[in-house]
Amino acid sequence: QVQVVESGGGVVQPGGSLRLSCAASGFTFSDYAMHWVRQAPGRGLEWVAFIRNDATNETYADSVQGRFTISRDNSKNTLYLQMNGLRSEDTAMYYCAKSGLRFADLLYNYFAPWGQGTLVVVSS
Amino acid sequence: DIQMTQSPSSLSASVGDRVTITCRASQNISSYLNWFQQKPGEAPKLLLYTAHRLQSGVSSRFSGSGSGADFTLNIRSLQLEDFATYFCQQSYSSPPTFGGGTRMEIK
Repeated sequence: QVQVVESGGGVVQPGGSLRLSCAASGFTFSDYAMHWVRQAPGRGLEWVAFIRNDATNETYADSVQGRFTISRDNSKNTLYLQMNGLRSEDTAMYYCAKSGLRFADLLYNYFAPWGQGTLVVVSS
Repeated sequence: DIQMTQSPSSLSASVGDRVTITCRASQNISSYLNWFQQKPGEAPKLLLYTAHRLQSGVSSRFSGSGSGADFTLNIRSLQLEDFATYFCQQSYSSPPTFGGGTRMEIK
């Protein structure tokens, strides 16, 4: 079945770096755009980053622009999120989500399915 | 950014009830409104997209309506498995934004 599974979360000090991975299966990964969405403890959902199926376009939330980089390896069916300059406010569960539509762009779209998430804690 | 406002923020209901959750966008988003369900400790799950289209595998007890800036999620004949938090999300304008959530509890 269609599935995405995140990994790479952990505890990191402010200013540190972390790289999250998302392994995809059950669908043609190279046909679908992908997203990262996060949820701070007890809070709502915040979209973080988007990458097109062919990696020709990336878009970021203002809150992470210049610090986070989304990338993908279509040969490995894997999505990544490189997070640098981490701050306490980046503490959250990070979800990988597949675009609902093939060859779609950021908008006029939806997220399905989502992975179970990987927890990132930024603390000294 | 487009602000999404959900109401109520929480509600109590009983098995068998019909409930309505509303979502208002700060500007016109046409029909580009999605609804998600999230249970504690789980990832969000897509219920409906483009306001009224039911995601494959989702119970027909869920329905959505609206366009422009005002939308509703209706759940009829509540089941135990429906008690969860519900989020709306707009995909009309960048960045995609979510409502604050509606937490539904058993009365």
